[in-house]
Amino acid sequence: NAGVTQTPKFRVLKTGQSMTLLCAQDMNHEYMYWYRQDPGMGLRLIHYSVGEGTTAKGEVPDGYNVSRLKKQNFLLGLESAAPSQTSVYFCASRRPSRGETQYFGPGTRLLVL
Amino acid sequence: AQSVTQLGSHVSVSEGALVLLRCNYSSSVPPYLFWYVQYPNQGLQLLLKYTTGATLVKGINGFEAEFKKSETSFHLTKPSAHMSDAAEYFCAVSDNARTGGFKTIFGAGTRLFVKA
Repeated sequence: NAGVTQTPKFRVLKTGQSMTLLCAQDMNHEYMYWYRQDPGMGLRLIHYSVGEGTTAKGEVPDGYNVSRLKKQNFLLGLESAAPSQTSVYFCASRRPSRGETQYFGPGTRLLVL
Repeated sequence: AQSVTQLGSHVSVSEGALVLLRCNYSSSVPPYLFWYVQYPNQGLQLLLKYTTGATLVKGINGFEAEFKKSETSFHLTKPSAHMSDAAEYFCAVSDNARTGGFKTIFGAGTRLFVKA
């Protein structure tokens, strides 16, 4: 099992450019999440999905969109990147029961110039 | 609303010394509590978790944590630090709302340094 994988690992964008981050999991998990990690702020939830075809906003959704067309994939899109979106992005997945562990991908480092 | 406070953004210990990382939480419902560890340039991985039952929880790599409801705390300890324990540690609390995706709130993190 590869677990949770993320592509790309690193990306540099110019302000205003768009991109899509891909998260894939092979554990058949129902729930998937996108977080951003910034120094001194822990992880903050951007968007999440409780199943194929469903998405919902998290704590910091502005400037991001997501799609979950297939159960195993969760895409995070930036339509018009801003320097404030420079961060490390983590995807996670878990089973749909109380107290379950989240499994994280290795992260994507994004630099917006 | 739930929240997590980790006391100390940086903790430094000598190899072989006790490790104590502090975490306090706020939750209006019985909490599910987690400690995750992040090694450089990696994602987070679970150290241990409390859901129900025994309040002293043992995790991987010799770590343990005790859930103290009266103190709203879930401090992480390890009797003897090893160089390989140097990492960032995150305390987290999860709600029990299935419709909300069991959202998890993470603390700001504590970076552990281990001196030889």
